[in-house]
Amino acid sequence: DIQMTQSPSTLSASVGDRVTITCRASQSIRTWLAWYQQKPGKAPHLLIYQASSLKSGVPSRFSGSGSGTEFTLTISSLQPDDFASYYCQQYNTYSPVFGPGTKVDIK
Amino acid sequence: EVQLVESGGGLVQPGGSLRLSCAASGFTFSDYTMNWVRQAPGKGLEWISYISTSSSTIKYADSVKGRFTISRDNAKNSLYLQMNSLRDEDTAVYYCARDQQGTYYLLDYWGQGTLVTVSS
Repeated sequence: DIQMTQSPSTLSASVGDRVTITCRASQSIRTWLAWYQQKPGKAPHLLIYQASSLKSGVPSRFSGSGSGTEFTLTISSLQPDDFASYYCQQYNTYSPVFGPGTKVDIK
Repeated sequence: EVQLVESGGGLVQPGGSLRLSCAASGFTFSDYTMNWVRQAPGKGLEWISYISTSSSTIKYADSVKGRFTISRDNAKNSLYLQMNSLRDEDTAVYYCARDQQGTYYLLDYWGQGTLVTVSS
């Protein structure tokens, strides 16, 4: 089975900061990688798919990159609404797997 | 507006059963593959099951295989999860989630979740 890891597990940042989260797969998943945002007590929301495609309606300050086994989610200028947890997910195989998550909190 | 509304969660004893439902609206339900994903308290997300549009293809995570059964009723715009032989470790919020059309396991809309607590 493909395993997913994320770093860091927690990230403290300020409004306006540029934030980067890394996701790694245990084997190549080409670009079958999605990013989700989840706020406490709420369902996750899809932000990015195919590693770098922004879902319609998602602010352009979010971007994704990478292929194969290493991927990044970048928030160019952190906004108050962005303090949340972020999960990567591979959908390359019939057994999709999420990363353990990265919590972005206020510095 | 796409809406997915789960129901059926609650407190159940170990070894018991529960049936979750997910009511879909705002899109042509029969055109979309669907999934269940769960999240244990304070933990990450775990995909547990998938069903194709016609129910011809069904997949399960190893953690629930043989105990859980996914189904759908396209006439009622509804998705179901029958959970048997429940264990403490099945305690979680259960989400139904729609696949982005044409892509498997890319979850573009999620319900609000329903909490299942397995405890004696």
